[in-house]
Amino acid sequence: QKEVEQNSGPLSVPEGAIASLNCTYSDRVSQSFFWYRQYSGKSPELIMSIYSNGDKEDGRFTAQLNKASQYVSLLIRDSQPSDSATYLCAVLSYGKLTFGQGTILTVHP
Amino acid sequence: SQTIHQWPATLVQPVGSPLSLECTVEGTSNPNLYWYRQAAGRGLQLLFYSVGIGQISSEVPQNLSASRPQDRQFILSSKKLLLSDSGFYLCASGQKGNQPQHFGDGTRLSIL
Repeated sequence: QKEVEQNSGPLSVPEGAIASLNCTYSDRVSQSFFWYRQYSGKSPELIMSIYSNGDKEDGRFTAQLNKASQYVSLLIRDSQPSDSATYLCAVLSYGKLTFGQGTILTVHP
Repeated sequence: SQTIHQWPATLVQPVGSPLSLECTVEGTSNPNLYWYRQAAGRGLQLLFYSVGIGQISSEVPQNLSASRPQDRQFILSSKKLLLSDSGFYLCASGQKGNQPQHFGDGTRLSIL
């Protein structure tokens, strides 16, 4: 069974700090990796996609992928209270996404 | 870019009643379409996916069914709702290949 595991949290960081979110996956043939942000009561919103080993930066967000270790992470620099949400790691294999349980992030002023 | 429409946003139904949730997609053609359910405080559970008109794959045995009568229309149905069917139902669309899925706004279903 394909599994995606995230650190359960909740994760609380002060405003301006770096938030680090981690995810591991079990299926070695996984091809694509995504991070979604979900505000309370809302649907998930795609914030990052990463397909190859290394880092990918988009504004304050950096996704990191290590396929050998089956590990994906998301760094949020200069965290803002508006970043407070649940972050879902998702792994794509053969057209189907498997989601982690999500990490609740709280950024306090 | 594609837009995914879901309705209604909120629905309250009695146990044993039927259900029909509709999802339509704009701005793309021949997408893969998905139905997910998210129970309160839980992760996303894939219910059904479709790679084309009339093609439905079920991930979880249950009293729900799905249909895709048109390329950009995906319907989730039930003949008799159970209390355990309560949850947040999300429709998603994704292009073929290693592309991400995008979600509609969801339907919050409460069974009484």
